[in-house]
Amino acid sequence: GNSVTQMEGPVTLSEEAFLTINCTYTATGYPSLFWYVQYPGEGLQLLLKATKADDKGSNKGFEATYRKETTSFHLEKGSVQVSDSAVYFCALSGNSGGSNYKLTFGKGTLLTVNP
Amino acid sequence: GAVVSQHPSRVICKSGTSVKIECRSLDFQATTMFWYRQFPKQSLMLMATSNEGSKATYEQGVEKDKFLINHASLTLSTLTVTSAHPEDSSFYICSAPLGETQYFGPGTRLLVL
Repeated sequence: GNSVTQMEGPVTLSEEAFLTINCTYTATGYPSLFWYVQYPGEGLQLLLKATKADDKGSNKGFEATYRKETTSFHLEKGSVQVSDSAVYFCALSGNSGGSNYKLTFGKGTLLTVNP
Repeated sequence: GAVVSQHPSRVICKSGTSVKIECRSLDFQATTMFWYRQFPKQSLMLMATSNEGSKATYEQGVEKDKFLINHASLTLSTLTVTSAHPEDSSFYICSAPLGETQYFGPGTRLLVL
């Protein structure tokens, strides 16, 4: 079955530091890959996505590249801000183009950015 | 982007009562919606898939008589926690797909006393 393994946190950084959160996956077929962000007390918000190999998703300074050869989708940001403090979830969906939209989530990584 | 709402955002109830949580897709239609449960500092656990016009599909280990799901229209799914007990206290989140992307509601915090 599908699975997602992401870097365990918590991760604590100073403002303007470089961020990497690792994510690897196991899946059959050609899944789409996502990063979601959850701010305290809120639901999940889509941060970025990639639907095929070598695609790069980007949003708000965050980037992740769909690497089929290493089955990875690592999240990066060059300079984090205090407002980036949240829990980040890596996820994959079922077979691309199919009717199965179920998401498989990683366990989440708590990021705290200090001023 | 697409918007999914949930109501209520927070509810406190007595043990033994039932609680209904609504999930609405505000600017798109969804024949399928998903219900998740999230425990503190943990990931989301998929509970069930809500299907418009047919029965919900429950994940293994989730009691269908305990968590009643009704997909009343193309923009509304409801989750009813029946005879709630303190162990049902949790954060419940719904999502609806638009294309290949899931859009999540803001969540409902349920506290059963």
